[in-house]
Amino acid sequence: SQTIHQWPATLVQPVGSPLSLECTVEGTSNPNLYWYRQAAGRGLQLLFYSVGIGQISSEVPQNLSASRPQDRQFILSSKKLLLSDSGFYLCAWSVRTVNSNQPQHFGDGTRLSIL
Amino acid sequence: LAKTTQPISMDSYEGQEVNITCSHNNIATNDYITWYQQFPSQGPRFIIQGYKTKVTNEVASLFIPADRKSSTLSLPRVSLSDTAVYYCLVGDDSNYQLIWGAGTKLIIKP
Repeated sequence: SQTIHQWPATLVQPVGSPLSLECTVEGTSNPNLYWYRQAAGRGLQLLFYSVGIGQISSEVPQNLSASRPQDRQFILSSKKLLLSDSGFYLCAWSVRTVNSNQPQHFGDGTRLSIL
Repeated sequence: LAKTTQPISMDSYEGQEVNITCSHNNIATNDYITWYQQFPSQGPRFIIQGYKTKVTNEVASLFIPADRKSSTLSLPRVSLSDTAVYYCLVGDDSNYQLIWGAGTKLIIKP
């Protein structure tokens, strides 16, 4: 069966520090990968998505970046965190298909607090 | 991009059937309707997906009328553990531009 791992579960960082959140998927190949951010009491905001190694699309301009160095690894990074980067970060994957809409499967998220 | 509208919150009691309706007036021909459940501090979990008419799985049913401008998630005989936020999304094969609303906060009482 497929599993998705996201770490760390919680993270407290000072303003201006760098960030690296990692997400890995097991049990599937060539998945679509996503990074979302969720503010308290709100829906999810898509930040990045990837359809393959090295292929990253950004939905929202910000000081965050994403990379996909391997097929099932997705990394969210920042060189300098802002207070506004606080939130709940979620990684997700879906099966890559041509003619059908596939549901997304989420990790347990990282609660990021910027001080 | 289709936009969805759901009630902000709903209350019900254990053992009851709960129906959550979502409106999506601008749904496109290629759009599917997908429902997710989210517990606090966890990622959303896929519940059910449909295109038209009725879909049923082991946890829920999804009713979609012929015009597809709305859909209803039906949870049979809910329990306290069904207390969660439920999201309705519409989208096509290019899953990337799904717009997540605030969802419906469902509270189940004993």
